[in-house]
Amino acid sequence: GAVVSQHPSWVICKSGTSVKIECRSLDFQATTMFWYRQFPKQSLMLMATSNEGSKATYEQGVEKDKFLINHASLTLSTLTVTSAHPEDSSFYICSARDGGQGETQYFGPGTRLLVL
Amino acid sequence: GQNIDQPTEMTATEGAIVQINCTYQTSGFNGLFWYQQHAGEAPTFLSYNVLDGLEEKGRFSSFLSRSKGYSYLLLKELQMKDSASYLCAVLDTGGFKTIFGAGTRLFVKA
Repeated sequence: GAVVSQHPSWVICKSGTSVKIECRSLDFQATTMFWYRQFPKQSLMLMATSNEGSKATYEQGVEKDKFLINHASLTLSTLTVTSAHPEDSSFYICSARDGGQGETQYFGPGTRLLVL
Repeated sequence: GQNIDQPTEMTATEGAIVQINCTYQTSGFNGLFWYQQHAGEAPTFLSYNVLDGLEEKGRFSSFLSRSKGYSYLLLKELQMKDSASYLCAVLDTGGFKTIFGAGTRLFVKA
C-alpha cells in the first residue's frame, strides 16, 4: 500500500524559532499533498493543499506567511512553522493522494510540535 | 455549508457488533471515507464508498446512501484493539478537499 513518511516525529523548540516538517510519499508520486493540524480530542483541520510546482492553497484563517509550504517534487512537501509560539503546539499531519489509486488519502505518522 | 455529524462516543463489548453512523451535508460529494485513528497516531484508511450500498472488508463494512446523506461503519467481532476514534470524511468535488467529521471515540470493554 501507499506509504507516507513524516520527519521529525517530535519537535520541542523555543518560542520564536522556526520549525520545518517534511512529508514524503515513499512508493508513489503525489501531485497533491495536504497539511492538517489536530488539537487534542478534536478532528483534523485542513490547513492547506500543496500542489507540486505551484503555490499552496491555504484554508481560511491560516496565515500563509506563518505556515510556509513548499512542494518542490512529486514526493516531498515541507511545512515550515515560522516564529513558532506556544499556541502553535499541536499535532501536524500530512497526507498524500496517490492519483493512480483513486481518491484515497494516505496519512503520514504525524509530527508533534511543542513550543515552549 | 459543510456539515458532518457523527456521535461523539460509543461503548461496546468485546466480541459484539457496533454501528457508527455518519450524516453529511456538503456542497459537493465525490465519495465518503472512514478512517481509524488511535490516540496519538495518524489516521489509517478503512474504506471508501462512492456508490450506494454496502462494502464489506473483513470485520469492517461500510454503507452509503447518497440520497439520504448517510453512511455507517459496521464493526463485527469487536476486539480490544478496535478502541480508537473513527473519522467519517467526505470528499468534496470543489477543490477535491476531504472534509472530516469530529470523529467517534469507540471504547471496547471486556
